[in-house]
Amino acid sequence: QVQLQESGPGLVKPSQTLSLTCTVSNGSITRGGYYWTWIRQRPGKGLEWIGYISYSGTALYNPSLKSRVGMSVDTSKNQFSLNLRSVTAADTAVYYCARDRATSTVTYYFDSWGQGTLVFVSS
Amino acid sequence: SSELSQDPAVSVALGQTVTITCQGDSLRSVYASWYQQKPGQAPRLVLYGLNRRPSGIPDRFSGSSSGDTTSLTITGAQAEDEGDYYCDSRDTSADLRFFGPGTKVTVL
Repeated sequence: QVQLQESGPGLVKPSQTLSLTCTVSNGSITRGGYYWTWIRQRPGKGLEWIGYISYSGTALYNPSLKSRVGMSVDTSKNQFSLNLRSVTAADTAVYYCARDRATSTVTYYFDSWGQGTLVFVSS
Repeated sequence: SSELSQDPAVSVALGQTVTITCQGDSLRSVYASWYQQKPGQAPRLVLYGLNRRPSGIPDRFSGSSSGDTTSLTITGAQAEDEGDYYCDSRDTSADLRFFGPGTKVTVL
């Protein structure tokens, strides 16, 4: 069973860049058919899809965050990363990495999740 | 369209049946997936595709779909089924993913 684990600072200052890494274990990030995804959850709120990156580096972002988001993948380390620029208090959230899987043109689901990491944005 | 709607909260007596729904135009094109989240935990996939359960999910969880609405039914709800349930879909034209606002399920 593939496992995902987020890592990164738990505190980021306003206007700076939030950087997180997700390490994938018990499975290769280069295996086809998956999209490596970031999802966040603000305190007391629902889930928000941030975007995904494929192992080849193709990325797609939530339009509401697109101007501030960047994702990258490091296949040699079996990791993928999130950068969120110019953060504000509104970016305080639990950030999850997840594996997005498509088994047909009508069936998509996040079958594996990291435990999540809480990131505070505060001075 | 990239919007999904869910009832904010439902309650069910222990051992009874509860159905939660998720509605949105995208569901006419793709199947929703469903996630259970308990306090302090990551979401867990409980249903995907046309009524498919991942390994380890009890068969009391089932799903159905009609038009723009998909449903998750818990038959014989247990105390451990309490939590927030989110549906998720995909905008096939823009290749975006999005979640419903969530339904809080309380087992009485």
